[in-house]
Parts: sequence; C-alpha cells; structure tokens
Amino acid sequence: EAGVVQSPRYKIIEKKQPVAFWCNPISGHNTLYWYLQNLGQGPELLIRYENEEAVDDSQLPKDRFSAERLKGVDSTLKIQPAELGDSAVYLCASSFKGTPTDTQYFGPGTRLTVL
Amino acid sequence: GQNIDQPTEMTATEGAIVQINCTYQTSGFNGLFWYQQHAGEAPTFLSYNVLDGLEEKGRFSSFLSRSKGYSYLLLKELQMKDSASYLCARKGNFNKFYFGSGTKLNVKP
Repeated sequence: EAGVVQSPRYKIIEKKQPVAFWCNPISGHNTLYWYLQNLGQGPELLIRYENEEAVDDSQLPKDRFSAERLKGVDSTLKIQPAELGDSAVYLCASSFKGTPTDTQYFGPGTRLTVL
Repeated sequence: GQNIDQPTEMTATEGAIVQINCTYQTSGFNGLFWYQQHAGEAPTFLSYNVLDGLEEKGRFSSFLSRSKGYSYLLLKELQMKDSASYLCARKGNFNKFYFGSGTKLNVKP
C-alpha cells in the first residue's frame, strides 16, 4: 500500500513569491493534516481536514496561508507571499478517523527555503 | 507543544538499553504516541498507549502512567540505525495532537 505522497520534496524561492505544496493521503484515510516543522522542533499543526471540511485551522496564518481539499482526497497548501520565516519542512499526514488509535502516517515532507 | 517535555539529546552505546522520558499535561488526555524520525525523513509511528502500563513491540517498549502524566520509550539492544529523533505526542480533546520537540538519540559503537 502506498504511503502519503508529497511534492515537491524541495523548493527554493525568493521572499514575496508564492509557493504551493501538494499532498496525496493514504487511500481511504478521511483525515488529513498539514504540519510545519522547524529544525530541532516537533511538528506544529497548521490545519486538519475531515473529508472536505477544515475542522481545525486555528493555527493557520490566514493572511498568507491557504489550503484546500476538494473532493476530500488530495490537498494543496499555499503560501502567498512567502516570508523568510516560512523556511521549514511542511509535513502532510493522514489517518482514518474511526479507529481507536487514530494513528497518523506522515509523508516525506517538503523542505522550503525562502531566500 | 502544550507542555510536553522530553530531553533534548541522549547518547547511548550500541547493544545497550536506553529510556527516553516524556512528561505531558494530563488534562484532556486521549492517548500518547511515540514516533521515530531520522534526519531529513518523515516521522514514523512506533507505539501508542492509552491505558496505564507497558506495551512491548520487539526491541521497543512504551510505558504510560496517566495519573503522573508520564511516559517513556525503552529501546533495547541498541543498533546504530536507532540513531534518530524520538517524538512524544499527546492526543488531546477534539482529536488535537501536540508534539514534543523530540529527543535526539546518538548511538555510538
């Protein structure tokens, strides 16, 4: 079974430019998460979807970040415009809500460098 | 990450046993996860505890005490490939997950 797929793996952009990340969750997983991870830190939740609905976006900086999960499968996270402080790894994870553990499975992440 | 504390870094010798501790906020607790993360890679699921006691899975075991807000991950027969960061994560109310900053484990020959 394929895991969580993310692209691109690496992205280098100049500040003020837009950037988008794509995630394809594990087949059948109805919950999708976007996390931000800085070096030496744990993942921090940006947004969580249950099917198409964003059920927790309280930590998403909505002035520059946006996300969508049309059709409740793939998701895209966008930053416009990017700032220097946005340099980090952006992780996507998925889980199947309804299991006792609700274990999340992570993709390989997109490493963003903003110059 | 919502008051999750774990040591920043630990060093242990190949073949030895190491215990990585994690303390967390007890309110709104719905489960404790451990993940392994090699440098530059995604976190991978290791274990889950929701009831008190020890869960054993091969060389890795995880312990939970809900009343103390305490968990540990025990790694036996350490191998060089176990050098990684180990993330403690608490599942809170409304399916919110809170991750610690991770413990970087260095396994030396």
